[in-house]
Amino acid sequence: EPEVTQTPSHQVTQMGQEVILRCVPISNHLYFYWYRQILGQKVEFLVSFYNNEISEKSEIFDDQFSVERPDGSNFTLKIRSTKLEDSAMYFCASRESLGHEKLFFGSGTQLSVL
Amino acid sequence: SQQGEEDPQALSIQEGENATMNCSYKTSINNLQWYRQNSGRGLVHLILIRSNEREKHSGRLRVTLDTSKKSSSLLITASRAADTASYFCATDDEASGYSTLTFGKGTMLLVSP
Repeated sequence: EPEVTQTPSHQVTQMGQEVILRCVPISNHLYFYWYRQILGQKVEFLVSFYNNEISEKSEIFDDQFSVERPDGSNFTLKIRSTKLEDSAMYFCASRESLGHEKLFFGSGTQLSVL
Repeated sequence: SQQGEEDPQALSIQEGENATMNCSYKTSINNLQWYRQNSGRGLVHLILIRSNEREKHSGRLRVTLDTSKKSSSLLITASRAADTASYFCATDDEASGYSTLTFGKGTMLLVSP
């Protein structure tokens, strides 16, 4: 079955540094998402992306966050100046279209901000 | 915004027993989905039930939906040790045009051999 792939699986960074988390969604999918999960907490929506622009974003997704689809396959999440509280597992997900409600998730990137 | 809440937070049972998890939500939905997460891994879709459906089955899974009470339940019958995971309900959000899924906190299920 097609998969959403995320790299790296683990990222350790110093507070204030920029990080880029990478995702390759399933090739024929049109909607892309980033979620995060702080250890033991709920899975929180960050942002959705369709047709090369952000369609929805949560309060968490402030000016420190940005997303990009630089080419036909990659979907990236950038955090410009990381904070300790950004430490979490970040999940990328994609879906085929609005008529297909099922989300396909990647295995996540564990971000640790020191 | 829409929020799903599962209960119990944790459930411990023996192999062969049934596991029931509940989910409540607050606003109008198009559908409700259940996902499973093995420790440290991504979420995997299990089953979807639409707002005009009351019950759905898939293998050992049975999902019910009561839109009047804004609640859903997931039943796993004849549980196995391999069912040990966290289970999340997710609802689409009316405010986002039903394009965004909002997840609950999850129920951690432990099935002992």
